[in-house]
Amino acid sequence: SQQGEEDPQALSIQEGENATMNCSYKTSINNLQWYRQNSGRGLVHLILIRSNEREKHSGRLRVTLDTSKKSSSLLITASRAADTASYFCATDFTGTASKLTFGTGTRLQVTL
Amino acid sequence: DTEVTQTPKHLVMGMTNKKSLKCEQHMGHRAMYWYKQKAKKPPELMFVYSYEKLSINESVPSRFSPECPNSSLLNLHLHALQPEDSALYLCASSQGPGQQETQYFGPGTRLLVL
Repeated sequence: SQQGEEDPQALSIQEGENATMNCSYKTSINNLQWYRQNSGRGLVHLILIRSNEREKHSGRLRVTLDTSKKSSSLLITASRAADTASYFCATDFTGTASKLTFGTGTRLQVTL
Repeated sequence: DTEVTQTPKHLVMGMTNKKSLKCEQHMGHRAMYWYKQKAKKPPELMFVYSYEKLSINESVPSRFSPECPNSSLLNLHLHALQPEDSALYLCASSQGPGQQETQYFGPGTRLLVL
């Protein structure tokens, strides 16, 4: 299976703290994406980082990519209760943009 | 309009029933996807349609039959399902191969097979 692994599986923090989740994958990729899923509903795209990029920012999100280690991390700064969700990394290794393989996911709980 | 819609939201069916899931997008996307997601697991790709043609079938059992009537619609026909097929079925769309790779997901259909 090409599925990536994410850690931690679950993370509980207080509002205002930073949350970091990590993703490791197995094959060379064209890009890596992060998605959020609230309570078993649809996924929402957060950010895409290409294989030739090392870091990317979007609002309170910071994503890094280390292709030599086949790993990525997602940092959410100044977390809010509304950030409570499951977060998945997804890799596109075919180059066709047709096939995303999702990681195992991190369940983030942000408490007041 | 950046929305992917799915109907129904919930579906309960017996193992001898025939039902269909529907997905619609009006973003002009030329790639559409079906995923299956079990509880606390990541989505698993089932089918990909590219320019209304089936381009990827991830060895899905024939009791699942996809159909793409036009560029905006995607159906998943269900027949003789098993209880283990109970899951959240997600539809997604993207601009198309070689273009912007972000996928837009619908809210899903939660299926229970009795």
